[in-house]
Amino acid sequence: DAKTTQPPSMDCAEGRAANLPCNHSTISGNEYVYWYRQIHSQGPQYIIHGLKNNETNEMASLIITEDRKSSTLILPHATLRDTAVYYCIVRVGAGTASKLTFGTGTRLQVTL
Amino acid sequence: GAVVSQHPSWVICKSGTSVKIECRSLDFQATTMFWYRQFPKQSLMLMATSNEGSKATYEQGVEKDKFLINHASLTLSTLTVTSAHPEDSSFYICSARVPPTLHSNQPQHFGDGTRLSIL
Repeated sequence: DAKTTQPPSMDCAEGRAANLPCNHSTISGNEYVYWYRQIHSQGPQYIIHGLKNNETNEMASLIITEDRKSSTLILPHATLRDTAVYYCIVRVGAGTASKLTFGTGTRLQVTL
Repeated sequence: GAVVSQHPSWVICKSGTSVKIECRSLDFQATTMFWYRQFPKQSLMLMATSNEGSKATYEQGVEKDKFLINHASLTLSTLTVTSAHPEDSSFYICSARVPPTLHSNQPQHFGDGTRLSIL
């Protein structure tokens, strides 16, 4: 199972772009990269996922390197409400056996 | 988008009692649901995978007789913590996956969690 490595914490000024890196050097060809975030005392919130192409939605952009060994989640204009723990997860398995295994994530603090 | 509802959000009970937590998928049918536990300042730990109409699959180290899981319908899974003790106090979170289409890459959606405190 591919593991992920993220910095434990990051700071970002409000209004600036937050770039959260993730290393997943042992990812296999059919595994997707998922990003979730958890605001204090809530359940995780799905943000975005991708296989090899860059992805963008209303919340964020996901940039995956060509060799797929790392990715970056970009919050284009961070706000105080984006303060949370961000988890980069590689999908384990396939079909109904597939499950998400959480690492320690990156604690993003957005400041004024 | 897909919504997962969890109830109750917060419960306090005496040691030795059993507590049931419900997880519902509100706008989709979930053949598979997941139960996680999170202790303070730690990450989520998967406890078990619940499949509709069959027995749950428990992760290593999780006592199946302690944490009873029932997934009787496509929209409801329940977790019962039996004979709860203070060390079972934790944040319990359920998750459901939108059924796969041609690809098994549908995201999981999470409930808002249940904070369980055992006195």
